[in-house]
Amino acid sequence: SQTIHQWPATLVQPVGSPLSLECTVEGTSNPNLYWYRQAAGRGLQLLFYSVGIGQISSEVPQNLSASRPQDRQFILSSKKLLLSDSGFYLCAWSTYGNQPQHFGDGTRLSIL
Amino acid sequence: KNEVEQSPQNLTAQEGEFITINCSYSVGISALHWLQQHPGGGIVSLFMLSSGKKKHGRLIATINIQEKHSSLHITASHPRDSAVYICAVSGSNFGNEKLTFGTGTRLTIIP
Repeated sequence: SQTIHQWPATLVQPVGSPLSLECTVEGTSNPNLYWYRQAAGRGLQLLFYSVGIGQISSEVPQNLSASRPQDRQFILSSKKLLLSDSGFYLCAWSTYGNQPQHFGDGTRLSIL
Repeated sequence: KNEVEQSPQNLTAQEGEFITINCSYSVGISALHWLQQHPGGGIVSLFMLSSGKKKHGRLIATINIQEKHSSLHITASHPRDSAVYICAVSGSNFGNEKLTFGTGTRLTIIP
């Protein structure tokens, strides 16, 4: 069966520090991968999606970047965090074609 | 105006009541998704549908493509159904199913 792992579960970082969140998927090949953010009191927003290794599309201009160094690994990064980067970050995967998305448990990021 | 609108934003009901959550969208879609977000933040996909009706246990989802409207129903509601229910739509971009989300409906079931 397929599983998705996302870590860490919670993270507290100072403004200006770097960020690296990792997401890995097991049990499937060539998944579509997604990074979402949920700001406090707001809905989910798609940040990045990837349909293959090295293929990253950005949905909104921001302080973050994403990379897909391996088929089932998706990384969300920042060189210098801003206060506005606080939120709940979710990774998700789906198979090719119009299929349900499967979400990780999320990372709650607080910027101080 | 958001592309996906949900109502109500908050809903409190007694255990056993029949629950309806509504979702309207204004764009062309290939499918509509209903998601459940638990208090800890984890999200579970409940339904994906592009026409008609689907049922899973006490949950029923319907969609009317012509009216661009979907409903999620919960029969015999239980306190463990308390969660945020999120409607999302996927566009018609071939090979990539980006989701656009509603802001969610917070459901609280009182014992």
